[in-house]
Amino acid sequence: QKEVEQNSGPLSVPEGAIASLNCTYSDRVSQSFFWYRQYSGKSPELIMSIYSNGDKEDGRFTAQLNKASQYVSLLIRDSQPSDSATYLCAVNPEDFGNEKLTFGTGTRLTIIP
Amino acid sequence: EPEVTQTPSHQVTQMGQEVILRCVPISNHLYFYWYRQILGQKVEFLVSFYNNEISEKSEIFDDQFSVERPDGSNFTLKIRSTKLEDSAMYFCASSEVRNTEAFFGQGTRLTVV
Repeated sequence: QKEVEQNSGPLSVPEGAIASLNCTYSDRVSQSFFWYRQYSGKSPELIMSIYSNGDKEDGRFTAQLNKASQYVSLLIRDSQPSDSATYLCAVNPEDFGNEKLTFGTGTRLTIIP
Repeated sequence: EPEVTQTPSHQVTQMGQEVILRCVPISNHLYFYWYRQILGQKVEFLVSFYNNEISEKSEIFDDQFSVERPDGSNFTLKIRSTKLEDSAMYFCASSEVRNTEAFFGQGTRLTVV
């Protein structure tokens, strides 16, 4: 069973601080990694993708990938109240015929004004 | 900005009835997906569709489920005889290339009574 694990939270972070969200995955052949944001009652919204080891920055968001440790993280700098949501880690293997995203349960993030 | 659109946003149906959920993927995307999310649980893969055929399906996607691309724009999920446990949010997603970023529609909330 291929698993994606996240701390369910809630994670509370003061406004303006850095929020750090973590995810581990069990399938070593996984090659594509995504972070989605999901507001309550809404659909997942893609915020970051990362495919190779290291850091990838996009505005206030930085994704970090370490395939050897099977670990992917998301940093949110200068956290805003609008960042309060559940953050879903999703993993996609590269093997042919396997195209599904496997999601973690999500980490609920609350930004405290 | 292109987006995936789903209709209806909410559907209530009686147990045993058939429902069809509709999706219009992003126009230049080639891969289409259905996911579902039972309230309070993780997003789960149902089926992927490429080149007018199912490319992968999960164990949830049994004989009660079917998908179709009836024309060049629509992608549908049919549940033949709904059960109470089919109550969930159903999300359609599409991606341009296999195993890359998938964009989700706003979802259809299905309530089976």
